[in-house]
Amino acid sequence: NAGVTQTPKFQVLKTGQSMTLQCAQDMNHNSMYWYRQDPGMGLRLIYYSASEGTTDKGEVPNGYNVSRLNKREFSLRLESAAPSQTSVYFCASSEAGGQREQYFGPGTRLTVT
Amino acid sequence: GENVEQHPSTLSVQEGDSAVIKCTYSDSASNYFPWYKQELGKRPQLIIDIRSNVGEKKDQRIAVTLNKTAKHFSLHITETQPEDSAVYFCAATRTYSSASKIIFGSGTRLSIRP
Repeated sequence: NAGVTQTPKFQVLKTGQSMTLQCAQDMNHNSMYWYRQDPGMGLRLIYYSASEGTTDKGEVPNGYNVSRLNKREFSLRLESAAPSQTSVYFCASSEAGGQREQYFGPGTRLTVT
Repeated sequence: GENVEQHPSTLSVQEGDSAVIKCTYSDSASNYFPWYKQELGKRPQLIIDIRSNVGEKKDQRIAVTLNKTAKHFSLHITETQPEDSAVYFCAATRTYSSASKIIFGSGTRLSIRP
């Protein structure tokens, strides 16, 4: 049982390049989330998916798109990377409904030059 | 929009002493308040949580208190140990479309002095 996995672990992009961050969970969770973590700012929600087939914006969605490919997988896409998107990105999942623990992946450290 | 304020941003305590971290939230509809611990270079992990119908919860050396009227909640760690050194995040959660939408505080870096 791997829990939540993310690829890649590290990535360096040039301004304007695009890439997709992958996330998968094997806990049969309905809900999945993407966060970014910047120094001194905690975790900020980018997008979330309450269930397969649905996605909604979080606090900081600009510059990102997401796809809930199936129940297991939730990807985050940067269409045209900017230096302001340099951050650590965490994917998380939880059971359906409120008041549920979120399980985090190991994170992707992204640098945009 | 909703926000969660967390204080202090850094905290250093002597090993064996207690540590207290405080948070306030703005969304009165928040009903679930988890605390996550993040060690350096690792993912956040839940250490304790409290629901809005409960005022206090304890798990060994860790306790959380909630004052819904004042929109305050706090984490208390007693008899601190070196392995307690980490960044701690509070969060306030509201349910949207069956998902838990969390707003995190900015974190407290806790250092335990030997």
